[in-house]
Parts: sequence; C-alpha cells; structure tokens
Amino acid sequence: AQTVTQSQPEMSVQEAETVTLSCTYDTSESDYYLFWYKQPPSRQMILVIRQEAYKQQNATENRFSVNFQKAAKSFSLKISDSQLGDAAMYFCAYRSPLLGGNEKLTFGTGTRLTIIP
Amino acid sequence: DSGVTQTPKHLITATGQRVTLRCSPRSGDLSVYWYQQSLDQGLQFLIQYYNGEERAKGNILERFSAQQFPDLHSELNLSSLELGDSALYFCASSVDSRQVTTEAFFGQGTRLTVV
Repeated sequence: AQTVTQSQPEMSVQEAETVTLSCTYDTSESDYYLFWYKQPPSRQMILVIRQEAYKQQNATENRFSVNFQKAAKSFSLKISDSQLGDAAMYFCAYRSPLLGGNEKLTFGTGTRLTIIP
Repeated sequence: DSGVTQTPKHLITATGQRVTLRCSPRSGDLSVYWYQQSLDQGLQFLIQYYNGEERAKGNILERFSAQQFPDLHSELNLSSLELGDSALYFCASSVDSRQVTTEAFFGQGTRLTVV
C-alpha cells in the first residue's frame, strides 16, 4: 500500500517571500500521479498542481512549482511571492495510474501554511 | 467552482439517526469518490463508484453505504450515527476512462455534526 508523509504540520512565511512544503511517499509502482491540494478556511479542496511520475520535467503553475525527485520519492511544493490568499492547509496526494479500482487518492496529513503580512 | 455539487452543506443530527448526503459529479465524469475528513483520521477514502457500479472500498464502516444512480449522482447513507461520525464528508469526481486519466475535483463538502 502507498503512504504519503508530510513532516511539517505547520509552516509560516512572510508575504512576498518563498516557502517550500515537503512531501515524501512510498510506493512500489514505477508510474503514478502526485498532486498538491489546497484547503483554505472555506474547506474547499482545490487542486494546485499535478505531476506525472514518467515526466522528468517538474510541473509549474504560475507561482507554484514542484521539485519532484523520483529516486528519493520526494515531491515538494514551492510557493513563490507568497500572498495572503495562499494561507491554507496543503495536502500532498498520491494516485496509482491503474484503472479498475486503484484510482483513489492517498493523502498526507497536511501542512498548515500561515502568511505573515 | 469545481463543478461538483454536494448537498447539504451542513447537517446536525442526533446519535442513532440516519442521514443521506448527496453528490452531483462534474458533467462527463464517471467516477464518484467519497472521502471523510476528521481531525484525528485526516482524509480517508471511503468508497468509489464508476458508472453506476461499486469499484473500490476503503475504510467505510458497515453502518455506511453508498450508491450511484443512472444519472451518475451519488448518495452516501450514514446510519446509527455516533458522535465519532462527526466529520467533513467530501465527494469528488473524475473521468477515469481508459483514454483519459484526470485529477479528482472535489465538492465543497458536507459538515456533519452528531450530537
């Protein structure tokens, strides 16, 4: 079974600065998908970024980018130019590529990010 | 707006009661997933339906059941409720066809409080 670990329960960053959230995972699969979801106080789960394991290039979405290290099974999220609206709980999630019952997401325990004005 | 609709947003009920949570997936999505988010257990996968059929089960209690209807909306039924069932229940949907694998999009959740 796959596991996802987020070792930082809480992080804080000054507005406009850069912060990196860590995530490690354990799997025996060679191909898979990794995601970062954001959960603001509204409780909505919002997809931030997605990475396919077969792609060597790190995914980027505007101010959000990942550092995907497949051999180390590490998937960190970098937020540049942090904004007050980035304050939220961030969840790392793993998904198998196999269809037919393996599509569920396995989540880490989350990192609460605070933005300091 | 993710396109996934969950009702109701909030539910308060007494122990021993039964409730039904409803989810309408995004247009075109065949898979519906139910997740439970509680303070002590985090986000846990409960069950998945695909095109009307149960596809995968996770940590779902026997007191809980779900179904997906021909129009692809889904309902999660929780019975003999206990205080510990108080949580945020999310529905998510994705395409999950052989041609396309997409990320899951989440509804806004139903906050269940059992008193």
